[in-house]
Amino acid sequence: GDSVTQMEGPVTLSEEAFLTINCTYTATGYPSLFWYVQYPGEGLQLLLKATKADDKGSNKGFEATYRKETTSFHLEKGSVQVSDSAVYFCALSDTGRRALTFGSGTRLQVQP
Amino acid sequence: DAGVTQSPTHLIKTRGQQVTLRCSPISGHKSVSWYQQVLGQGPQFIFQYYEKEERGRGNFPDRFSARQFPNYSSELNVNALLLGDSALYLCASSPEGGARNTIYFGEGSWLTVV
Repeated sequence: GDSVTQMEGPVTLSEEAFLTINCTYTATGYPSLFWYVQYPGEGLQLLLKATKADDKGSNKGFEATYRKETTSFHLEKGSVQVSDSAVYFCALSDTGRRALTFGSGTRLQVQP
Repeated sequence: DAGVTQSPTHLIKTRGQQVTLRCSPISGHKSVSWYQQVLGQGPQFIFQYYEKEERGRGNFPDRFSARQFPNYSSELNVNALLLGDSALYLCASSPEGGARNTIYFGEGSWLTVV
């Protein structure tokens, strides 16, 4: 079945540091890939998405590129802020399914 | 425009009781999905409804049931509550039921079973 694997957290960075959160997936067909963010005490917010190979999703300084050859969708940001502290979830939606499959989440803590 | 709204936001139930959670999708969205998020884990898919019909079901016992109303709002029911049902229950909506549509989540209902 479909699965998503994320790097374990927490990831602790200083403000303005470079961020990478790794995500790899297993799926049949050609899934769409997503990054969601969850701030403390809140629901999930869509951060960015990519629907086909080599697409780059971007939003609020975050980027991720759909790499079919490595089945990866790593999240990057050039300069993190304290306000980026949250839990980040990688997810996929396969062609034949009507649901998202999520990774276990990666907690990011940014220190001033 | 209002986002996905859920009620109640927090509730505490006793083992063996039943609970009903409610969800109103974004205006114009016809598909509603339910997810369970246990503390420290990613959300797990429970149900999807589109145009009042169940279109998908995750690996959850029959104690979990749901329905969608003509106005596209939805209810999730859980019977015979167990301690392990304690979780954040997330409702999500999308314009259609297709797998590639962007899904928008509500803030969730926190259920504690004691």
